[in-house]
Amino acid sequence: AQSVTQLDSHVSVSEGTPVLLRCNYSSSYSPSLFWYVQHPNKGLQLLLKYTSAATLVKGINGFEAEFKKSETSFHLTKPSAHMSDAAEYFCVVSAPIKAAGNKLTFGGGTRVLVKP
Amino acid sequence: EAGVAQSPRYKIIEKRQSVAFWCNPISGHATLYWYQQILGQGPKLLIQFQNNGVVDDSQLPKDRFSAERLKGVDSTLKIQPAKLEDSAVYLCASSSPWVMNTEAFFGQGTRLTVV
Repeated sequence: AQSVTQLDSHVSVSEGTPVLLRCNYSSSYSPSLFWYVQHPNKGLQLLLKYTSAATLVKGINGFEAEFKKSETSFHLTKPSAHMSDAAEYFCVVSAPIKAAGNKLTFGGGTRVLVKP
Repeated sequence: EAGVAQSPRYKIIEKRQSVAFWCNPISGHATLYWYQQILGQGPKLLIQFQNNGVVDDSQLPKDRFSAERLKGVDSTLKIQPAKLEDSAVYLCASSSPWVMNTEAFFGQGTRLTVV
């Protein structure tokens, strides 16, 4: 069984300040982890993924995330928020199903508001 | 590379009516997912296919929802009869199970409003 908890349903930051979105997971396997972003009325876009290589993962648009196995966390950060970062962010854990692809489990999402 | 295509983008129906959504995954992707995303919540898996076989449909309300992927490519999700609580965005995604640690690619979704 696997699960994902996003610790904040809403985050509000000022433009130019750092952003931190927190994610904790549980998985019976050594998981792959992803962060997706969803802008209003748009589909889900992949920001970055962790696949058991480097624990610090860099993604698009200046985002990065650090995998900490001891804390079962995969927090997303960005040093300086931009107005265009206002969106909903989802942390996703993926684990293989034998001979049948991967099972994806989503967190509840964190809505980011960026103030000018 | 073409992305995941879904249609229609929007649909408004009355309760007790039926509705169908269509998804065309990325070429060569054997795994296809249907998710339901209710406003303010994360996507919830309804059904997962591997080619034309069902891998997981444990959260599909089978008394009213059905899905098929007859030739292992396109898929259709149907609701009959619809209830007010089915108002949501229905997302289709696909991935290649043969690529290690790959992500899923999502379509734009179909926004369903049941009135």
